[in-house]
This record gives sequence, C-alpha cells and structure tokens, in this order.
Amino acid sequence: QSVLTQPPSVSGAPGQRVTISCTGSSSSIGAGYDVHWYQQLPGTAPKLLIYGNSNRPSGVPDRFSDSKSGTSASLAITGLQAEDEADYYCQSYDSSLSGYVFGTGTKVTVL
Amino acid sequence: QVQLQESGPGLVKPSETLSLTCAVSGYSISSGYYWGWIRQPPGKGLEWIGSIYHRGSTYYNPSLKSRVTISVDTSKNQFSLKLSSVTAADTAVYYCARATTDTTVPLPYFDYWGQGTLVTVSS
Repeated sequence: QSVLTQPPSVSGAPGQRVTISCTGSSSSIGAGYDVHWYQQLPGTAPKLLIYGNSNRPSGVPDRFSDSKSGTSASLAITGLQAEDEADYYCQSYDSSLSGYVFGTGTKVTVL
Repeated sequence: QVQLQESGPGLVKPSETLSLTCAVSGYSISSGYYWGWIRQPPGKGLEWIGSIYHRGSTYYNPSLKSRVTISVDTSKNQFSLKLSSVTAADTAVYYCARATTDTTVPLPYFDYWGQGTLVTVSS
C-alpha cells in the first residue's frame, strides 16, 4: 500500500555522493506533510535517520541530509562509507488514505 | 534510555487472531507520546499498522482497520496489538515503536523501535 515511491537500489563508490528520491502526491508530500527518513541495516530494526526539516537525532553524522520540493523529497549521503550499506525508507502522511505511509524502500550498495 | 520489546506467539493459524505485546522500559507510557505498530513482510517494505495515544485515542491503517485493535495498559507500561482473521499475507516481522512530535515537526516520527518479532501464519 506504499504511496511513496523510491528507487529500488542506488550504488556508489566510497567517498561518493548518492541521493535517494521519495515521490509522493498532492495528498502526501505535496500537501506539506513532513518527511522522515529511516535506515535499516541488515537484520535489524529501522533507525530514525532524519526527521522533519533536516533534523538529525544525536549520533547521526551530517553526511546525511534531506530536501523537499513539490511532491517529492530526497535523502543525500555524502562521503559514502561501507557502513552506509543498508535499506532506506521515507515516511510521511497521506490525507487521502488517512494514515501514515512509508516509501517502498531503497537499498544502498557501496561498491 | 527508552527500550521496547515485542512478545507473543511466533506461529498463528489462518483465520485466528494474532496477539502481540510491547513492553516499554525507561519511560512511562502514561506520560505521553504515541505508541505504534509497524510490520515488514519478509524481503519487503514497512507498513504502518496503527498507533495509540497515551490517553487511548487510536489511529489505524484504513486497509487493516476492520481487523486491528491496539490497546494500552498503563499499569503494566505496555501496549498491545490484535489482528484478527489472519492469512498468510499477514506473515511479517512486527515492530513496536514510539512516535513523537515537536513544535517544529508536527508529523509523528518513530524515534524508538523494538527489535521486532517474526510472526508466521501457517497451519
């Protein structure tokens, strides 16, 4: 029931910059709802990465940043490291569905 | 440090009711926040199931609403999930999580998660 679309995978070499898009609609991101991002390392629970307007919980490096425009949002990882290899999910709200929605998820591979 | 721990049967028969409990430590549920359930089918993405406010208001995923009940027991500092009439499609890792907001971020975000528990629906 994901209404936030993400690319299935992105990859990059160590040190490079990668971006992950999160495409919603006029009833979700386009309606002005916040977008949050989570990182899920293999075999573990998701971890909050970024919330609201580029807020990072304590301990999350500033290599992670986000942006939002229109009906889409993006997560950027600069200075890619091997430890960044994980699945990443965006999360927002959809008023037409009256519920919280997660993105389809993106697997980041460090080459 | 806030910690959440899911517990419940790992195997449920089709058409029966899945019941899970999330025990919270390091924070009193009655003090505030939203408390939610999220699931993840094997190899797939995350799906929000529902949330409950500490005072008892509930919010459910419309696609599951007819089968879901979330409740809170402040005396035990835990909250629970019941999902009725389960099928194989309900097989997933079920996570409990705390959701919070602040004045600059009105949409709740999940800041603390349990480790997750795999529930398999099979006869």
